[in-house]
Amino acid sequence: LAKTTQPISMDSYEGQEVNITCSHNNIATNDYITWYQQFPSQGPRFIIQGYKTKVTNEVASLFIPADRKSSTLSLPRVSLSDTAVYYCLVGDLFSGGYNKLIFGAGTRLAVHP
Amino acid sequence: DVKVTQSSRYLVKRTGEKVFLECVQDMDHENMFWYRQDPGLGLRLIYFSYDVKMKEKGDIPEGYSVSREKKERFSLILESASTNQTSMYLCASSLRGDNTDTQYFGPGTRLTVL
Repeated sequence: LAKTTQPISMDSYEGQEVNITCSHNNIATNDYITWYQQFPSQGPRFIIQGYKTKVTNEVASLFIPADRKSSTLSLPRVSLSDTAVYYCLVGDLFSGGYNKLIFGAGTRLAVHP
Repeated sequence: DVKVTQSSRYLVKRTGEKVFLECVQDMDHENMFWYRQDPGLGLRLIYFSYDVKMKEKGDIPEGYSVSREKKERFSLILESASTNQTSMYLCASSLRGDNTDTQYFGPGTRLTVL
C-alpha cells in the first residue's frame, strides 16, 4: 500500500505559481499518481494523472521524477478560485482494488488577494 | 460531462431511524462508490459496486448497507442511524476498472443524526 505524505496547508497569492509536493516512497511499479481538487461544499474533482515524467493539461502540470518516489502538482498563476483542498492518490486499481486508493487529509491551499 | 446527483444536500434524522441516501449517475458507469468525509480524516470508503447487484466492502462498512438494483443508481442505507454517523457522505462513479480509473463525485449529503 503506497502511503502518501503531503503538506497540511499552503498559502499563496493571486498570480503566483503554486507547487504542492506529495511523497510516496513505497510506490509500486504499476501504481499511477492521481490528483483531485475539492472546493468547499463540493465533492472532489479529478485534476490530473500521471505515471512518469511530466503531464500537462489545461488546469495543471504534474512532475514525476525518475524514481517516482514523489510528485509535484503545479498550478500556474493561481487565482482566488483555486482555494481548495488538493489530494494526492497513488495506487493500482486493477490489482490493488479501490480499498487501496486512499484519500488522506489533503493539502489545504489558501490563495490570498 | 458526467453528472452524479445525490438525493439531498442536507438531512437531519433521529437516532434509530432508517436512513436512505440515493445516488444517480447519468454516464453508464460500471463502478459506484460511497464515501464519508470527516474533518482530519479525509475520505473513507464505505462500500463500492462494480456491477448491478454486486457490492464490495470498503474500509468502514459497519453500520451501513448498500443496494444497486439498477446500473445508474446506488443507495446507501443506515439501518439504525447513530450520532457517530453524522458526517458528509459522498457518492462517486467511474467508468473503468483499470489502474487509470478516475472517479466523478456528487455534491455530497451532509447528514446530521440527533
